[in-house]
Amino acid sequence: NAGVTQTPKFQVLKTGQSMTLQCAQDMNHEYMSWYRQDPGMGLRLIHYSVGAGITDQGEVPNGYNVSRSTTEDFPLRLLSAAPSQTSVYFCASRTSTGDYSPLHFGNGTRLTVT
Amino acid sequence: GDSVTQMEGPVTLSEEAFLTINCTYTATGYPSLFWYVQYPGEGLQLLLKATKADDKGSNKGFEATYRKETTSFHLEKGSVQVSDSAVYFCAPASGGSYIPTFGRGTSLIVHP
Repeated sequence: NAGVTQTPKFQVLKTGQSMTLQCAQDMNHEYMSWYRQDPGMGLRLIHYSVGAGITDQGEVPNGYNVSRSTTEDFPLRLLSAAPSQTSVYFCASRTSTGDYSPLHFGNGTRLTVT
Repeated sequence: GDSVTQMEGPVTLSEEAFLTINCTYTATGYPSLFWYVQYPGEGLQLLLKATKADDKGSNKGFEATYRKETTSFHLEKGSVQVSDSAVYFCAPASGGSYIPTFGRGTSLIVHP
């Protein structure tokens, strides 16, 4: 019963480095999304996907890329990390769009950019 | 787009005290309303939800009623426990995709 799995749990990057945050779900959910959580800011939506091959921007997409080649995986790429991207990142999924089902969250990736 | 206003924390209570965390929202149409809880070091998880006016969501002793006339969804619990210490997020979801908008979260600290 894995649910939503995020890796790694912690990561430290230097400014300008690139990396990919991994997210996988085993619930056959159509909808997947990435949020960042910053103190006093709540959760802000970065990108989301309503199905394989379909992605769209959220509230704060700049500096991040996503793709959705399978139903299960939704990686988040940082092409050139900046200190402003220091945050805790959460992946979340749910059964589909247009319904009342809740989001299922992973346990997060804590990223520090120096 | 949607917006949420939650009371600022931290809220500090003694065990068995009554809890209210206020939440008001603006949204298009008739949103679904959710409360999520985040325990230390974990991701968010659903606490309760309500999908139409006057619905009451409840779970683990927590309750919240969908008040359309005041656009509010206040969270209440009659007797809190130390284990309820967490951050609570109110989140309306509306529009065609029902993508939730999260409030800033309210930290609850319960002392024995």
